[in-house]
Amino acid sequence: AQSVTQLDSQVPVFEEAPVELRCNYSSSVSVYLFWYVQYPNQGLQLLLKYLSGSTLVESINGFEAEFNKSQTSFHLRKPSVHISDTAEYFCAVSDRGTGFQKLVFGTGTRLLVSP
Amino acid sequence: DGGITQSPKYLFRKEGQNVTLSCEQNLNHDAMYWYRQDPGQGLRLIYYSQIVNDFQKGDIAEGYSVSREKKESFPLTVTSAQKNPTAFYLCASKDIASTDTQYFGPGTRLTVL
Repeated sequence: AQSVTQLDSQVPVFEEAPVELRCNYSSSVSVYLFWYVQYPNQGLQLLLKYLSGSTLVESINGFEAEFNKSQTSFHLRKPSVHISDTAEYFCAVSDRGTGFQKLVFGTGTRLLVSP
Repeated sequence: DGGITQSPKYLFRKEGQNVTLSCEQNLNHDAMYWYRQDPGQGLRLIYYSQIVNDFQKGDIAEGYSVSREKKESFPLTVTSAQKNPTAFYLCASKDIASTDTQYFGPGTRLTVL
């Protein structure tokens, strides 16, 4: 069985400061990894994903995450946050391949950006 | 625009009543999913369907039922047997022919009065 741990339930940070949201996973098989973002009362939006290739993946709005197989981690980082980044962020894992996908989610990290 | 729609956005129910949440997608995806979200617990899988007229229980199916009569539609019924139905419900879909991930609808917030 797979599991995802997001140790920080809430991360407060000032605008323009760097931030790291931590994600660790457990799995007996190779995995795909994802970060989703959820704004209040909205659905989840895919932020970025690691399927294969370069272990560093980037989103269009400045976030990046690095897959570290030895530490079973996929931490999300941004060098300078904006007020608009305030949201809840979910890390998720699935088996590799096509077909049916079961996503296993972490419990989420609420990012609070203040001026 | 292609996407997933859920209705209604907010739903109020009296105890003992069944309610049905709508989920429609025009992405031509075969697989569809229903999740429940509670504060501090992430998302938990209720039911999923990989093809029309077939669906499977997820991790927390008790008190819920679904149908998949059309490829684009996957309604969820919350029955009176669900002990604590107040939650945010999210529908998702996926193209099973690709490695792409699930895409989510905007959600329905159900409150039991």
